[in-house]
Amino acid sequence: AQSVSQHNHHVILSEAASLELGCNYSYGGTVNLFWYVQYPGQHLQLLLKYFSGDPLVKGIKGFEAEFIKSKFSFNLRKPSVQWSDTAEYFCAVRDYGNNRLAFGKGNQVVVIP
Amino acid sequence: GAVVSQHPSWVICKSGTSVKIECRSLDFQATTMFWYRQFPKQSLMLMATSNEGSKATYEQGVEKDKFLINHASLTLSTLTVTSAHPEDSSFYICSARERGLAASDTQYFGPGTRLTVL
Repeated sequence: AQSVSQHNHHVILSEAASLELGCNYSYGGTVNLFWYVQYPGQHLQLLLKYFSGDPLVKGIKGFEAEFIKSKFSFNLRKPSVQWSDTAEYFCAVRDYGNNRLAFGKGNQVVVIP
Repeated sequence: GAVVSQHPSWVICKSGTSVKIECRSLDFQATTMFWYRQFPKQSLMLMATSNEGSKATYEQGVEKDKFLINHASLTLSTLTVTSAHPEDSSFYICSARERGLAASDTQYFGPGTRLTVL
C-alpha cells in the first residue's frame, strides 16, 4: 500500500507571503496526483491534479504544483497568499492500477490578515 | 456541475442503534462511489468502494457487517452503521466518480456527515 506524507501540519503566515506545502508519496509506479482544499465548514474541493504531460500544473485560485518524479514529490505553491486561503490542504495519490485515493494527513494553513 | 450531497449532515444516536447515511450525485451519474472516514485532525481513510449494482469492496480492517453499503442506483449510495457504538463517532465523507470519464477520473466529494454516538 502506498503512503502519502505531508509535513508541517500547521502553517501560519501573513498575507502576501509565499506558501509551499510538501507532498511525498511512496509508490513507484504510474500515479495520478491531486491537491484538495477544505475551507472551514465546507467540503473537499479539487485544487489541481496531475495525470501526465507538463509536470508544472496550474490550478484554481493561483495555486500551482510541480511533479518531480525522481523525488516522488508533488509540492503545492502559491506566490502570495490571501486571508481567504485559510484552509486545510490535502495531497492525494492514486496509483494507476486501482481506484483508491490515498490521502496525506493534511496541512492546516492559517493566513493572518 | 459535479455536486455531491450527503444526508444527514449531522446525526446523534444512542449506542446500539443503526444509522443510515445517504450520498447522492446531483447532476451526474456515478458508477463508483467511495466512503471515507475522517477522525479529528487526521486524514481521510478509505473505508470502501461502492459500485452500482454490485457488492462493495471493503478496505482491510473495515467490518462489512458493521458498515453496510448499498449502491442501488447511479446517483445514490447509502452507508448504514449498524449497532453503532461511541467509537464509531466520526466524520463520514463520500465521493463519487462520474460515469464514463475514466481518463479524467476526478472524485467529487460530499460535505460529510458527522456521526455522534452517545
